[in-house]
Amino acid sequence: DQQVKQNSPSLSVQEGRISILNCDYTNSMFDYFLWYKKYPAEGPTFLISISSIKDKNEDGRFTVFLNKSAKHLSLHIVPSQPGDSAVYFCAARGSNYKLTFGKGTLLTVNP
Amino acid sequence: GAVVSQHPSRVICKSGTSVKIECRSLDFQATTMFWYRQFPKQSLMLMATSNEGSKATYEQGVEKDKFLINHASLTLSTLTVTSAHPEDSSFYICSADSSSYEQYFGPGTRLTVT
Repeated sequence: DQQVKQNSPSLSVQEGRISILNCDYTNSMFDYFLWYKKYPAEGPTFLISISSIKDKNEDGRFTVFLNKSAKHLSLHIVPSQPGDSAVYFCAARGSNYKLTFGKGTLLTVNP
Repeated sequence: GAVVSQHPSRVICKSGTSVKIECRSLDFQATTMFWYRQFPKQSLMLMATSNEGSKATYEQGVEKDKFLINHASLTLSTLTVTSAHPEDSSFYICSADSSSYEQYFGPGTRLTVT
C-alpha cells in the first residue's frame, strides 16, 4: 500500500516556465512534508519542506503548497532552469521521524 | 546545509563475503540515522532506523541478521551486509536527523555483488 504517491513519473517543461510537481498521500497522521531533488547515483538533496499546520512555504524559486483536506501537496518551481532537471521525491514524515517517499518524478527542463 | 558522508561510494564484492558501509554526519550530531535502499527507477525504501547507543529498528521484511547496523557514536553509523548475494546489489543511502526537521542524506553507496 503506497502511502505517498507521485502519479507522474516524468514532466517536461520549457526553460523559464513553471514546473508543477504533484504528490498525494493517504496517511492523515503525516505531520511534515519534504521535497528532495536527486541526481543519478547521488543521495537526495533537501529542497523545501512544509509543516502540516501550514498551507504554503516559499523559498526563492521553490514554493510548496499543502492541501490537507485533499491530502495533496505540490512543488512549484518558477522560473524553471535546465539545472533543475533531476528526479524530485516527495516525502512525508510519520511517527519516529521516519520518512515515506513517493516514487519520484523526473523533471526535464528544456533550454 | 548539514553534511553527511558515506564510505565507500562504490564497492564490488564476491558472493558470500561481507561489506561494511559507513555513514558519518560531519558537522552535526545525529541521534538518529536511517538506512535506505534504492532499486533502479524505484523509490527510496527505508530499511532501518539506527539510534545511537541502542539496537536498530528494522522495517518489515528486512533481515536484521543480514543487514547489521551499528550506531556507535553520534556521528557514525555503519551498515554491514553479511554473506552478500547478487540480489543484494543496490544503491544504499543513509540519512541523519539534524536538530531541525529535515533529514540530510549521504551521497550513497553502490554495492555490486558478483
